[in-house]
Order: sequence, then C-alpha cells, then structure tokens
Amino acid sequence: KNEVEQSPQNLTAQEGEFITINCSYSVGISALHWLQQHPGGGIVSLFMLSSGKKKHGRLIATINIQEKHSSLHITASHPRDSAVYICAVPRADGLTFGKGTHLIIQP
Amino acid sequence: DAGITQSPRHKVTETGTPVTLRCHQTENHRYMYWYRQDPGHGLRLIHYSYGVKDTDKGEVSDGYSVSRSKTEDFLLTLESATSSQTSVYFCAISDVRSGLTGELFFGEGSRLTVL
Repeated sequence: KNEVEQSPQNLTAQEGEFITINCSYSVGISALHWLQQHPGGGIVSLFMLSSGKKKHGRLIATINIQEKHSSLHITASHPRDSAVYICAVPRADGLTFGKGTHLIIQP
Repeated sequence: DAGITQSPRHKVTETGTPVTLRCHQTENHRYMYWYRQDPGHGLRLIHYSYGVKDTDKGEVSDGYSVSRSKTEDFLLTLESATSSQTSVYFCAISDVRSGLTGELFFGEGSRLTVL
C-alpha cells in the first residue's frame, strides 16, 4: 500500500466549477506539501501545511492530522488550472509523493 | 523563482553509454535531491545530498551514482544506461531536511531516453 494515496486520479470539469482533490496518508507527519505540475513543465510548490487551512488566491488547502487527510480545493476553476496536482509527505530522506491527480478544466 | 537549473534538458542515448545530469543551484541550499518521474508512479527518490561530499541513497538508487563537490552542483551519473532508466529526472533543493518546514524547489526536469 502506498504511503500516500490521492483521489481522484483523473478529473475533468467545466470552467467555474468547485474542485476538490483528496490526499490520504498512512504515516505520522508534521507537514504536507501540495505541488502543481503543468504539462511538460516543472513542478512548483503550492502549499506546505501542518494544520488547519491555507489559502492562496483561488486555491485552498486543508489538513486534518488526526484523520491523516488533506484536501486541495480550487474555487471558480479556470482552464489555466489544468495540471497535475501532487501531494507529498516528508520522510527521513526526502518526500514521499502521491501519484498525482490529473485535472482538466474545459472552457 | 528559485535559482535551480538542470542540464541537459533533453538527451537521447544508447544502452550501455554513460550519462551525467547536472543540477546547479544559486540558493546556497544545503539539501539537494534527485527524483525520477515515470507514468503510474509518483516521484521517486534516487539519491540525495545533505552537504558537500555528503550523499545517501534513496529508494531507487540501483544503477545511479551521485557526487557533490560544491554546494551549488549535484551530479547524477548513470554509469551504463539501460532502457529502464528512460524517465524524466527532477532535481530539487531545500534549506531544511526533507522539506519538513521549508519549501521544496524543483528544477525544470531532464528528459532522458535510452534506446
């Protein structure tokens, strides 16, 4: 069983919809990362959070440490939000990554 | 944007040839990582470094070696490339261990094809 599980694997939505991507992990952690990867592009860090909620523009990330679960929400989604979203948790020698959620926002 | 560059960005090579990928940073971050990204897998750690000349293996280190003779450079070497090493390789840097409390910055990736 992977230490980090994301759902859904693929998500297609219409512009303007509210998007939720989920991440569950099996190990105790002190923080969790959300990353974004555009097609053919590099990877950028969106959030690092250890409790509660963080907001950046239309992106909101929440985490429940006790339930070992985090969610990434996108409000008023736009085609430029189309990307792979990856969650990751720290381990002793780096990060363990989920397989990513491939999001497509159609105009 | 963090100053981290990878070279080459694209490379096609033949089985059995040596290949070296370079990661260069201008952030003076202590920790540097090499990951590979393959379809159906999350990013997987190959090797990492926690200082000059201090390196250690990750979960998929077989067939790879690394060197870090300067803070700013972290080299990944495939001594004899195999087709299973066809992948996209990402370098990442962090100012704290494992990105626990600090942000992790990634390079743009190096696409390697081994024929």
